[in-house]
Amino acid sequence: ELKVEQNPLFLSMQEGKNYTIYCNYSTTSDRLYWYRQDPGKSLESLFVLLSNGAVKQEGRLMASLDTKARLSTLHITAAVHDLSATYFCAVDIGNFNKFYFGSGTKLNVKP
Amino acid sequence: DTEVTQTPKHLVMGMTNKKSLKCEQHMGHRAMYWYKQKAKKPPELMFVYSYEKLSINESVPSRFSPECPNSSLLNLHLHALQPEDSALYLCASSQVESNYGYTFGSGTRLTVV
Repeated sequence: ELKVEQNPLFLSMQEGKNYTIYCNYSTTSDRLYWYRQDPGKSLESLFVLLSNGAVKQEGRLMASLDTKARLSTLHITAAVHDLSATYFCAVDIGNFNKFYFGSGTKLNVKP
Repeated sequence: DTEVTQTPKHLVMGMTNKKSLKCEQHMGHRAMYWYKQKAKKPPELMFVYSYEKLSINESVPSRFSPECPNSSLLNLHLHALQPEDSALYLCASSQVESNYGYTFGSGTRLTVV
């Protein structure tokens, strides 16, 4: 059974600061996804990472994938309050379209 | 159309009721999914349909019965639910062997009383 671990689980940070969320997974995969979820809402796709060394950036968020280390990072630059949400990584090992989600990181950016 | 539409958005049902959740997409996706999400937890996979056939059932109790009548529609029939089944139920779709992840619907917030 694939395990996907995110850390930290909770992150409280000040506006303007930088921080990184980590996503480790336990088996080989070269497909990793990041989603954002606002309270009571659905999941919004942020990034699709499909190869070793992939790096994607959108605004203040940047995601990367190291398939050899089985690690993805989501880096937040100069955080703003609007980034407050829960962030999930999900890994696809090509097993009948089955995603394995991490436990989520709840981010709170304080003004 | 790049959306997955779920209805209803909110549902309150008694333990003896029968109700259905509906999900629709018109993106030509041939894989559709039901997920259950409890508060402060990640989504948990319930069912996967691929080309309108059930391909994954994650040992879900029989009080949940999925149905895929055509390539655009996915239903989840509910019967004799328990209060612990209260959760956000998310539908998603994708191409069958897609590299691009899922598109999620907005969810149905289910409360069982």
